[in-house]
Amino acid sequence: DAGVIQSPRHEVTEMGQEVTLRCKPISGHNSLFWYRQTMMRGLELLIYFNNNVPIDDSGMPEDRFSAKMPNASFSTLKIQPSEPRDSAVYFCASSFGAPYGYTFGSGTRLTVV
Amino acid sequence: ILNVEQSPQSLHVQEGDSTNFTCSFPSSNFYALHWYRWETAKSPEALFVMTLNGDEKKKGRISATLNTKEGYSYLYIKGSQPEDSATYLCAIYNQGGKLIFGQGTELSVKP
Repeated sequence: DAGVIQSPRHEVTEMGQEVTLRCKPISGHNSLFWYRQTMMRGLELLIYFNNNVPIDDSGMPEDRFSAKMPNASFSTLKIQPSEPRDSAVYFCASSFGAPYGYTFGSGTRLTVV
Repeated sequence: ILNVEQSPQSLHVQEGDSTNFTCSFPSSNFYALHWYRWETAKSPEALFVMTLNGDEKKKGRISATLNTKEGYSYLYIKGSQPEDSATYLCAIYNQGGKLIFGQGTELSVKP
């Protein structure tokens, strides 16, 4: 298995532009998570899905952020419009569920200028 | 709000030293504890998932213990090597269904 695949690895965009981050979880995993890593807050959970259904999006910073999981093998995190304070590394992770460890993707480093 | 506290924040040891760090968490509504190893420029890698009070797990020179009644877990590294240098993250999975991470302990092992 290729693991959790995220794209792009790096994204540089101008303030106000729409940014879409992509994630392909490990086949068979039924839970998918989007995390953001910042110096101030460490790894913070943005949203997670169980069986493609969003369960908790309370970590999503504001309405500019949205996430979808149209099927078991694909999820997107969209920021529209992007702002410089959104600059961070965004990780996607997948898992079989609570008692199991998470497998993280390589992350997307987003820079908004 | 679920607070996961890790200490120390950073640690510098010499090759061959044994070391340990602590993860503290609220004992109520506990479901599982995860330890991850996170090397610079890579993604977090799962080390252990622990669920039962008194659990002890071991992988090579790294081991972990869990006390759910008092709300803490220890991670031990025996005979540290430079390749052990990384940030070690603790995360708690509570009955609310979220995995909440601590800020991590950054370990640096000097040859």
